[in-house]
Amino acid sequence: QITLTESGPTLVKPTQTLTLTCNFSGFSLSTSGEGVGWIRQPPGKALEWLAFIYWNDERPYSPSLKNRLTISKDTSKNQVVLTMTNMDPVDTATYFCAHGSYSHHYAFNIWGQGTMVTVSS
Amino acid sequence: DIQMTQSPSTLSASVGDKVSITCRASQSVASWLAWYQQKPGKAPKLLIHRASILETGVPSRFSGNGSGTEFSLTISSLEPDDFATYYCQEYNTYSPYSFGQGTKLEI
Repeated sequence: QITLTESGPTLVKPTQTLTLTCNFSGFSLSTSGEGVGWIRQPPGKALEWLAFIYWNDERPYSPSLKNRLTISKDTSKNQVVLTMTNMDPVDTATYFCAHGSYSHHYAFNIWGQGTMVTVSS
Repeated sequence: DIQMTQSPSTLSASVGDKVSITCRASQSVASWLAWYQQKPGKAPKLLIHRASILETGVPSRFSGNGSGTEFSLTISSLEPDDFATYYCQEYNTYSPYSFGQGTKLEI
């Protein structure tokens, strides 16, 4: 059974760097075909895809946020980390991590519950 | 980037109705299209991937169709649990996997 859990600060100040961790179980990112992505959703708004990391370390990013995002994995800890620099109040959102794999053609078949991040001074 | 446009943005319907939601891509995504259902305060749930493949456990009243730039999600007979917001997402390999803006299905 695959599960994912996001963790990180609930409040960050403008200009700070946000670091979010996704702890997962039920699969390994060292296994061919596996991947984890990050998606966010501002209150009352649509989903926005941020980044994805494949088992082979390919890392596509949202073009509009590419300069601010870094996604990485630690296969020994079953963790994926997303950092976002220069946070702004418009980045206030619920941040989700989700599993994607070859079996589902990299659609997000399992999601974490999400973590709400507020950006405010 | 590929832009995904859903229509309508809001859809009012009743239990038992047949409804369809359309998703259009600004360029071809072949069949790399997924549909998700999201209820308030919850994470999205995958309903359909590869445009028409029903995820395990999803009721057969849900179906997906289309390829290239035009796709649809159809619910054949609405049940109370189906009132939610629906999103399409393209996932053309190694491109940004854009979501549509969502369709709120309400009573």
